[in-house]
Amino acid sequence: GAVVSQHPSWVICKSGTSVKIECRSLDFQATTMFWYRQFPKQSLMLMATSNEGSKATYEQGVEKDKFLINHASLTLSTLTVTSAHPEDSSFYICSAPHGDRGRLQAFFGQGTRLTVV
Amino acid sequence: GQQLNQSPQSMFIQEGEDVSMNCTSSSIFNTWLWYKQDPGEGPVLLIALYKAGELTSNGRLTAQFGITRKDSFLNISASIPSDVGIYFCAGHQGAQKLVFGQGTRLTINP
Repeated sequence: GAVVSQHPSWVICKSGTSVKIECRSLDFQATTMFWYRQFPKQSLMLMATSNEGSKATYEQGVEKDKFLINHASLTLSTLTVTSAHPEDSSFYICSAPHGDRGRLQAFFGQGTRLTVV
Repeated sequence: GQQLNQSPQSMFIQEGEDVSMNCTSSSIFNTWLWYKQDPGEGPVLLIALYKAGELTSNGRLTAQFGITRKDSFLNISASIPSDVGIYFCAGHQGAQKLVFGQGTRLTINP
């Protein structure tokens, strides 16, 4: 299957600083990538759709100025959590779709555990 | 956002037992995907289903795409300790965006 690599796997930052998370498709190109947030013992909640060469599409209730998304190439999307606060602590996961038309599959990165202190 | 209704939310079984979980929706889906997530990791795809009525196996795992396109089930036969984790169903409704179930947390007693 296709490989999606996410970096870093964990990060601890001070309140008020910004953190960048990278999501790379290693062996395929992805014009679209998705960013999720997952709280303990809960399902994945879609935050935004990252579109190569254009603006990201944010889900309702997600602050676009807080969670900056850049999809500058066909293999890389980044999520920057700006002015992080303890309530931003969570598990962030990216995914990229891959496959033939009508047989799409979503491949996920390893996730990033963000802890804001 | 919309979610699929996945049940049960948790299961506690003995090693060797069979497991069954399912997902339902009020909307039609074009694709059903089943994932397993280990603690601190991203979800890993187990089985993908693309046609109504399709029954697909992957080792001890079997999943089916409901004939109404509004439901799917996943069975695990003869469970082993490494089956422990959270299982998610997910569906595509047309676009590339996925909708997820709430997850089934599987615990196995040796």
